Amino acid sequence: EAQVTQNPRYLITVTGKKLTVTCSQNMNHEYMSWYRQDPGLGLRQIYYSMNVEVTDKGDVPEGYKVSRKEKRNFPLILESPSPNQTSLYFCASSLAGGGTDTQYFGPGTRLTVL
Amino acid sequence: QKEVEQDPGPLSVPEGAIVSLNCTYSNSAFQYFMWYRQYSRKGPELLMYTYSSGNKEDGRFTAQVDKSSKYISLFIRDSQPSDSATYLCAMKANAGNMLTFGGGTRLMVKP
Repeated sequence: EAQVTQNPRYLITVTGKKLTVTCSQNMNHEYMSWYRQDPGLGLRQIYYSMNVEVTDKGDVPEGYKVSRKEKRNFPLILESPSPNQTSLYFCASSLAGGGTDTQYFGPGTRLTVL
Repeated sequence: QKEVEQDPGPLSVPEGAIVSLNCTYSNSAFQYFMWYRQYSRKGPELLMYTYSSGNKEDGRFTAQVDKSSKYISLFIRDSQPSDSATYLCAMKANAGNMLTFGGGTRLMVKP
């Protein structure tokens, strides 16, 4: 089954404790991205990657890191999480990031930073 | 002011009603327009996309884009309880550019 998977689905952590949210897709997509979703603000893009070893900042990159060492994986790293990073996070992938490419979203990771 | 504005709702309608969902935007460079549906505790899924102005129909769903007014709409005919979800509009300027989302409208269709 074609899908985007994220782990963990739920995470409660404390300020400053480094964490990684994994994202994996099995569709051989080139384009992957991370979003955060907050009430009233919709989805905002954090980082995106057009291909292996090619990443770029989205709307709200501060406090986040990403890497794209393999085509299928695009982990999101929070080196020193803070409470304002409490949010619902989605990973997405598409074939090539083109205008009408369908972006497939993962199930989401709900992160709480205390 | 946000680049893409969307009434958060909730919008409550009886089953069978015609639903109209709308977004306004400020960036005249946007050319690709999409509607996503998001069920509770799930990721968004693409419903419709339109390039530039015009209408597009897919079953009970019709997407309209009016670039002159910077206004897009999604119409749902014969709405069903299974249509109850949050609907997000999204748009981008060029192929490969990042998507800009509206805040989403929560729709409830009552049996």
